Amino acid sequence: GQQLNQSPQSMFIQEGEDVSMNCTSSSIFNTWLWYKQDPGEGPVLLIALYKAGELTSNGRLTAQFGITRKDSFLNISASIPSDVGIYFCAGPHRGNAGNMLTFGGGTRLMVKP
Amino acid sequence: GAGVSQSPRYKVAKRGQDVALRCDPISGHVSLFWYQQALGQGPEFLTYFQNEAQLDKSGLPSDRFFAERPEGSVSTLKIQRTQQEDSAVYLCASSLGWEQYFGPGTRLTVT
Repeated sequence: GQQLNQSPQSMFIQEGEDVSMNCTSSSIFNTWLWYKQDPGEGPVLLIALYKAGELTSNGRLTAQFGITRKDSFLNISASIPSDVGIYFCAGPHRGNAGNMLTFGGGTRLMVKP
Repeated sequence: GAGVSQSPRYKVAKRGQDVALRCDPISGHVSLFWYQQALGQGPEFLTYFQNEAQLDKSGLPSDRFFAERPEGSVSTLKIQRTQQEDSAVYLCASSLGWEQYFGPGTRLTVT
């Protein structure tokens, strides 16, 4: 089946630093979604990307839809302690019906205060 | 409420017991999905509803898993004769289009 590979798997960041993470796929996606999950909570949608090459920002977060449609990148500028959590990329693909999401394994972000 | 809600938030079951997990989607969302998330991994698709119709159940791991959404709103995921490998967080999501909105999940622990 389709797989999404995220890197890095985890990272420590000094508060104030910028963060970059990426997501790659062996197959093409027409939409990329980035979620953040805090402990004990469900994933929260951060950014949705719909067009190859698209660059979209949400506050300190910026995500890009790769030109090949097989990758996406998420950047966080000036990290703060509340950025701690697990970041997932996800791509919808049409199954028997509907658009179920395939998730990457996540990037765990840990910030040193 | 404005978001997806799930209950219970935590459930401990003895092996062999049946459990029922409830999901209240965002009002008006036609599509409803169930996902299973093992510790340290991303969510994995279980089943999908469009209104009351279960259109895809290809992700259900065994015939002990059953889901329903009889009136096209609230959905219930039922697991019969629970096994230890069923221990996971069960997430519900609803959507109108591509973007899916998740509930807080139910953490199931089978002892």
